Amino acid sequence: GENVEQHPSTLSVQEGDSAVIKCTYSDSASNYFPWYKQELGKGPQLIIDIRSNVGEKKDQRIAVTLNKTAKHFSLHITETQPEDSAVYFCAASKGTSGTYKYIFGTGTRLKVLA
Amino acid sequence: DGGITQSPKYLFRKEGQNVTLSCEQNLNHDAMYWYRQDPGQGLRLIYYSQIVNDFQKGDIAEGYSVSREKKESFPLTVTSAQKNPTAFYLCAAFGIAAEAFFGQGTRLTVV
Repeated sequence: GENVEQHPSTLSVQEGDSAVIKCTYSDSASNYFPWYKQELGKGPQLIIDIRSNVGEKKDQRIAVTLNKTAKHFSLHITETQPEDSAVYFCAASKGTSGTYKYIFGTGTRLKVLA
Repeated sequence: DGGITQSPKYLFRKEGQNVTLSCEQNLNHDAMYWYRQDPGQGLRLIYYSQIVNDFQKGDIAEGYSVSREKKESFPLTVTSAQKNPTAFYLCAAFGIAAEAFFGQGTRLTVV
């Protein structure tokens, strides 16, 4: 069945270093790839997304890259700060009209060490 | 929380009891979804509704029920048929560009 694999499951970095989280999807029809940040006891918040007609997107310290041929996409966080510590989820969606069935990755717990 | 309000934040259920989780949105989005989150797993889809008075089963609908009588509201009932209900439940509304806005979640515990 359709799935999204996310790695690593945990990631510790020193403050100021970069963090990279990778996801691989199985359904080649997927065309929308959001990333969510979830803090403890809260709901996920959309931090960046990319669509299949774009290879890279950047928003300040956060960037996402997409390789459609290899069916993987990655989240890059530069100059990490302690407040970046959270669980990050990737998702893939076909986004067909009227149906937004996301397939989520299993999450990466990022710890930024001060 | 993007205009999605879930209540209560914590809920305790006794064996054999039905409980209802509330989800309200002020984003004017047609699509609303319910997910279940367990430790170490991705979010799993329980039920979804694309429009008022219509809803569809997701991947793990057994033991759950929903209604969509108003655009703003999509309550989830966890019935006694759900044998392992302890989890974190998330409601989301979807914008027209397929982006999801999540509520703050309800943590349900069986006591």
